[in-house]
Amino acid sequence: QQQVKQSPQSLIVQKGGISIINCAYENTAFDYFPWYQQFPGKGPALLIAIRPDVSEKKEGRFTISFNKSAKQFSLHIMDSQPGDSATYFCAAGGNNRKLIWGLGTSLAVNP
Amino acid sequence: KAGVTQTPRYLIKTRGQQVTLSCSPISGHRSVSWYQQTPGQGLQFLFEYFSETQRNKGNFPGRFSGRQFSNSRSEMNVSTLELGDSALYLCASNERGPNYEQYFGPGTRLTVT
Repeated sequence: QQQVKQSPQSLIVQKGGISIINCAYENTAFDYFPWYQQFPGKGPALLIAIRPDVSEKKEGRFTISFNKSAKQFSLHIMDSQPGDSATYFCAAGGNNRKLIWGLGTSLAVNP
Repeated sequence: KAGVTQTPRYLIKTRGQQVTLSCSPISGHRSVSWYQQTPGQGLQFLFEYFSETQRNKGNFPGRFSGRQFSNSRSEMNVSTLELGDSALYLCASNERGPNYEQYFGPGTRLTVT
């Protein structure tokens, strides 16, 4: 049973465009929401994370928007670059020391 | 600091065999988590070890087991391999546990034939 639903499964964006990936969760006990980026042949690497006491967090071109009432959070990549082409995973964690992951979004940024 | 290392990087086994995968975390990291990554199921949590104690376990059969040594190095073992165990097995470490930034190794690609 997938507790974190991620969409879209794949995304193609033109260079300079905005990439938006969405995630929805079910368990209201989750209190940690990270986004990880994975390149082929590498393990995932933390991109940005948010906790539910804020509704938005920005780091450079990457922004997380968090809607606690809707139980949704999203990743926005501004000014998308070909180097951003990778697979992006959202995840959610609570105090049970277990992260639940979305199925991933394959992002391709066309030059 | 050196990153998380995993050995071996690639492994081919036959159905019914067993396999042991190794993970060396970043120096000073006491938490080691293991994940199975497949195209259809994404990353699935296997278990987490902290200071040699298993703190949590995912929904995997008992054929999957692990342990952590006093130097924080960790191993996972899969017995009686099945074709469906073919996957990328990732190890991640940090100082506090999964709900903080985790540092992943490159993974071990296991193929079961």
